[in-house]
Amino acid sequence: QSALTQPASVSGSPGQSITISCTGTSSDVGSYNLVSWYQQHPGKAPKLMIYEGSKRPSGVSNRFSGSKSGNTASLTISGLQAEDEADYYCCSYTGSSTLVFGGGTKLTVL
Amino acid sequence: EVQLVESGGGLVKPGGSLRLSCAASGFTFSTYSMNWVRQAPGKGLEWVSSISSSSNYIYYADSMKGRFTISRDNAKNSLFLQLNSLRADDTAVYYCARAIGLVPRFDYWGQGTLVTVSS
Repeated sequence: QSALTQPASVSGSPGQSITISCTGTSSDVGSYNLVSWYQQHPGKAPKLMIYEGSKRPSGVSNRFSGSKSGNTASLTISGLQAEDEADYYCCSYTGSSTLVFGGGTKLTVL
Repeated sequence: EVQLVESGGGLVKPGGSLRLSCAASGFTFSTYSMNWVRQAPGKGLEWVSSISSSSNYIYYADSMKGRFTISRDNAKNSLFLQLNSLRADDTAVYYCARAIGLVPRFDYWGQGTLVTVSS
């Protein structure tokens, strides 16, 4: 199972919006609206931000939203804040009871 | 408070073995599926394996099949990962993670344990 494709880096200024893409295939992202997104600060464990494509866990800011079109899922962060600077990973169900992560995207808040 | 604490990492020679443990507390361990996820130094996350609450369903990433074995002891609230035939590219921080939902998402993670495979 190949890793999902994410841009290596994205950046934005405080207050702006950014979108991180996550491209898979018709066997994973395209077949299921079941992508989750994780935020990871340096030296820390990942944190769940979005699940089942667009749902937010309790406690996650509504500045984070998820969507999907075809084989590509997206994470949008609006009203960028300095604390959003982190690595972001998408994760998809593959249909064979296994999971696959994206390569990760480093978000820089300018 | 949910806590997951991994242990058992360390330095091992290529071809060697290691057994990782994850001690769970703060929730009813026996009712949750559990997973292992690893992260090589400076690299991204990689899903390793999952085990259902009663150990009936076990899955592995293709690259780990035949070398890694996941197991759990619900009486001791513990999750394990036996690593055999280790290679340099298995060097990583190994996280245990609690899974929820019909399609698993990981709502709690441990702090990770570092496995270094080197001669």
